[in-house]
Amino acid sequence: EAGVVQSPRYKIIEKKQPVAFWCNPISGHNTLYWYRQNLGQGPELLIRYENEEAVDDSQLPKDRFSAERLKGVDSTLKIQPAELGDSAVYLCASSLGQGSYEQYFGPGTRLTVT
Amino acid sequence: GQNIDQPTEMTATEGAIVQINCTYQTSGFNGLFWYQQHAGEAPTFLSYNVLDGLEEKGRFSSFLSRSKGYSYLLLKELQMKDSASYLCAVRDTAQAGTALIFGKGTTLSVSS
Repeated sequence: EAGVVQSPRYKIIEKKQPVAFWCNPISGHNTLYWYRQNLGQGPELLIRYENEEAVDDSQLPKDRFSAERLKGVDSTLKIQPAELGDSAVYLCASSLGQGSYEQYFGPGTRLTVT
Repeated sequence: GQNIDQPTEMTATEGAIVQINCTYQTSGFNGLFWYQQHAGEAPTFLSYNVLDGLEEKGRFSSFLSRSKGYSYLLLKELQMKDSASYLCAVRDTAQAGTALIFGKGTTLSVSS
């Protein structure tokens, strides 16, 4: 079974530029999460989807961040414009649904903003 | 991770046993998780506790005391490959639904 797929793995951009990250969850997983992990810290939730509905986006900086999960499968996270403080690893995770406790993480996208 | 505390770093030698502690505060506790994360890689699931007691899985065991807001991860027969960051995370349905709230992680270094 394929795991959570993310692309790109690495991205370097200049500040004020836009950037997008893509995630393909494990087949059949209804719940999708985007986390951000700063160096030396644990992951922090940005947004959670149940199918195509964003059910928790309270931690998403909505002035510059946006996300979508069309058709309840793949998801895209966008930053526009990027700031220096956005440099981090962006992790996507998925799980079967609310009754399932285990989350499976993708390899992450390491973003560097210069 | 402001509600979850775990030591920043620990060191141990091959073959030894190490215990990584985690304390937490939640308003809607619904499970405690341990993840292993090697440098530059994704976190991988190690264990899940929702009831008090010890869960054993091979060389790894995890313990939970809900009344004390306390958990530990026990690693036995340490190997060099166990050098990694160990993340304690809780599911707090009052704060984050099914999402996990992570601690900052404990970096374990295993030496020969």
